Amino acid sequence: GENVEQHPSTLSVQEGDSAVIKCTYSDSASNYFPWYKQELGKRPQLIIDIRSNVGEKKDQRIAVTLNKTAKHFSLHITETQPEDSAVYFCAVSKGNNDMRFGAGTRLTVKP
Amino acid sequence: DTAVSQTPKYLVTQMGNDKSIKCEQNLGHDTMYWYKQDSKKFLKIMFSYNNKELIINETVPNRFSPKSPDKAHLNLHINSLELGDSAVYFCASSQGQFSGEKLFFGSGTQLSVL
Repeated sequence: GENVEQHPSTLSVQEGDSAVIKCTYSDSASNYFPWYKQELGKRPQLIIDIRSNVGEKKDQRIAVTLNKTAKHFSLHITETQPEDSAVYFCAVSKGNNDMRFGAGTRLTVKP
Repeated sequence: DTAVSQTPKYLVTQMGNDKSIKCEQNLGHDTMYWYKQDSKKFLKIMFSYNNKELIINETVPNRFSPKSPDKAHLNLHINSLELGDSAVYFCASSQGQFSGEKLFFGSGTQLSVL
């Protein structure tokens, strides 16, 4: 099955700085790449996603970039705020009801 | 209205017991899933169903038996519970097959096996 690797496992930044989380995948047939945010004790929630026919997508302070050739994609958060502190998961799917998640990145934004 | 609801929220039980977790979605989605999140926060897919048909069964012990009476419900029954089954179990749903759509998660069931 698909192998999704996510780095780093923990990330600590100062408020206002940028944060970048990277994921790599193994199956070149994968075509959907979402990012989920999970706050402590809560459910994972989608924050941004990208499909394989797009290289970059932005939504306010959050952006995702995809390099299909290298099979990696990244989440970029600019102007981080304390409320961005959470665990972030990348995920990969090839549209067959089989969504695979990375191991997660615990982001801490220090005020 | 809660989009994906699962019950119970907490489940504490003894080893060897049998327990069930229920999940319902009111989004009209065709696909439902069960994920297991262990203490290290890793989210692992267990099962996916599309229109009541099993699509993914990810090498889960056969003590775990999902049941989908209709496309709005996907329940999980666990026999002979073991210590290693302790985790948070999330139900989720998505729009449909072959669409790679957004997952909507339930609030999770924290299972503790003593």
